[in-house]
Amino acid sequence: GIQVEQSPPDLILQEGANSTLRCNFSDSVNNLQWFHQNPWGQLINLFYIPSGTKQNGRLSATTVATERYSLLYISSSQTTDSGVYFCAVKEGKESNFGNEKLTFGTGTRLTIIP
Amino acid sequence: NAGVTQTPKFRVLKTGQSMTLLCAQDMNHEYMYWYRQDPGMGLRLIHYSVGEGTTAKGEVPDGYNVSRLKKQNFLLGLESAAPSQTSVYFCASSRTRGETQYFGPGTRLLVL
Repeated sequence: GIQVEQSPPDLILQEGANSTLRCNFSDSVNNLQWFHQNPWGQLINLFYIPSGTKQNGRLSATTVATERYSLLYISSSQTTDSGVYFCAVKEGKESNFGNEKLTFGTGTRLTIIP
Repeated sequence: NAGVTQTPKFRVLKTGQSMTLLCAQDMNHEYMYWYRQDPGMGLRLIHYSVGEGTTAKGEVPDGYNVSRLKKQNFLLGLESAAPSQTSVYFCASSRTRGETQYFGPGTRLLVL
């Protein structure tokens, strides 16, 4: 099955700093999502971005499907940005029609220090 | 519009006991999913449903059963709980295949 690798595994930053989180995947995808899991365990959908670039406030994401990676940018970090960021993908092969498995990476744990 | 809700939020079981986790969504989504999350890992798909009356196996289906009798509800059953099923269980739904999945708040299950 498809492999998803996220880097870095851990990131500690001062409030106000910018960060870039990376997601590499091993095969073509037709679904890629970024999630934020807050310290209370809630999974919050950030972006649905199988290709292209999207922005939402201080967050933006870019997926280059042909090169099999996606990047999540966080600017002017706030303490509320702390938590684990997951990338999740679904393989894009025709043979996968009906297989709805979303494969998650192991996440990047982000800690923002006041 | 509550989105995706899960019941219960937390449960402790003894080995061999059974229980059912309920997931409900009010977004009229066709697809629903059950995942488990274990420490230091991402989520793994247990079972999913592509519509009322349908179910399909995911990545880690053993020891679980599911039912989708109504479009808005997706039930996850543990017939004989084992300590290896201690985990946090997340339900999700999407409008159709390949679209954004929206997650519930999770159910924390401890099997002793």
